[in-house]
Amino acid sequence: EEQLVQSGGGLVQPGGSLRLSCAASGLIFSTYAMSWVRQAPGRGLEWVSTISTSGGSAFYADSVKGRFTVSRDNSKNTLYLQMSGLRDEDTAVYFCARGDRLVDVWGKGATVIVSS
Amino acid sequence: DVVMTQSPLSLPVTLGQPASISCRSSQSLVYSDGNIYLNWFQQRPGQSPRRLIYKVSNRDSGVPDRFSGSGSGTDFTLKISRVEAEDVGVYYCMQGTHWPRTFGQGTKVEIK
Repeated sequence: EEQLVQSGGGLVQPGGSLRLSCAASGLIFSTYAMSWVRQAPGRGLEWVSTISTSGGSAFYADSVKGRFTVSRDNSKNTLYLQMSGLRDEDTAVYFCARGDRLVDVWGKGATVIVSS
Repeated sequence: DVVMTQSPLSLPVTLGQPASISCRSSQSLVYSDGNIYLNWFQQRPGQSPRRLIYKVSNRDSGVPDRFSGSGSGTDFTLKISRVEAEDVGVYYCMQGTHWPRTFGQGTKVEIK
């Protein structure tokens, strides 16, 4: 079964940092671009970032550019999102998802709460 | 950025009756390869999104055939031929043609 298992959410103070992980199983991880999508409480879906298969290219929403860094380790079948300079408005459930134009398999989400 | 506008935002439906959700994009979603990267997702309460339709009209494996997608250019529609109780949730369109990727605001489907 194709699965994305997420970890790393939590409570962090404004200005702090957090790293999310997304471990893939049942799929050939290295052959897929991967994306992060977030959902603020009671709100809709917002695309955050996408990384190419090799990790050589990465794309970001303007709202996180310069603060978030997406990366991947194909030897570990794992996707990461390093978040720094966190703001109240970054509070959300963060989903990892397989793909870029055609995101299909989704993780269960990791909750990030930015609060003092 | 490409703005995806869904309507209606709330859709009360009687069980067994049809439902239709519109999604309009502010720019053409035709990519240089000729494909239109327009996806539809269902998000049931407390769950992750689930893709139903990709590239306008292709139904994902395991998706009931009461769900169908259509459209072209900038105007797209998701139809449910006969709504069932398990269809309750929020439906989102998403374009994968342009950067940044963008989603519609979501349409909440509920049973009358």
